[in-house]
Amino acid sequence: EAGVTQFPSHSVIEKGQTVTLRCDPISGHDNLYWYRRVMGKEIKFLLHFVKESKQDESGMPNNRFLAERTGGTYSTLKVQPAELEDSGVYFCASSQDRGVAKGNEQFFGPGTRLTVL
Amino acid sequence: AQSVTQLDSHVSVSEGTPVLLRCNYSSSYSPSLFWYVQHPNKGLQLLLKYTSAATLVKGINGFEAEFKKSETSFHLTKPSAHMSDAAEYFCARGGYQKVTFGTGTKLQVIP
Repeated sequence: EAGVTQFPSHSVIEKGQTVTLRCDPISGHDNLYWYRRVMGKEIKFLLHFVKESKQDESGMPNNRFLAERTGGTYSTLKVQPAELEDSGVYFCASSQDRGVAKGNEQFFGPGTRLTVL
Repeated sequence: AQSVTQLDSHVSVSEGTPVLLRCNYSSSYSPSLFWYVQHPNKGLQLLLKYTSAATLVKGINGFEAEFKKSETSFHLTKPSAHMSDAAEYFCARGGYQKVTFGTGTKLQVIP
């Protein structure tokens, strides 16, 4: 079974440009999550989809970030316009069941390393 | 807010010696706790998880962790380090819909 995949693996853009990150979850997983790790800091939650609906976007930094999951399959995270502080590693995760508090595992992708110059 | 604290940003051990990576969590009625590992250019891989069953949890690759409520700790251990264990390790706790991570510990294994 294929795991969570993310594209691209690396992206280097200039400040002010637009970047779109893609995540393909494990087939059949309704729950999809985005996380971000800024250099040297902890991995932080950005948002959570259940199918195509946003359940929790409390971690989104600001309105320059737009996440979509049309059709409830893959998801995109667009940053427009990108700023220097957006640099970091963006992780996607998926799970079959929602309750992480009950120990249900989230499966993580390899991440997209974004560098904004 | 519920939090997780990893006490060491870097740990260095010699191959064949024990590994101890420390993690403390903020008090909660019933935390779910996880340890993830990330090797270079790879995704986060689950090592083990605690979900209020046995307090000593065994994971993959010979790792285990002990949940100690009195100390609010969930330290990760391995009796004998291998070169392949060199990676970054994350302690995390499960909330209702999201995972809260510590800042990570980079493990260096010296030949």
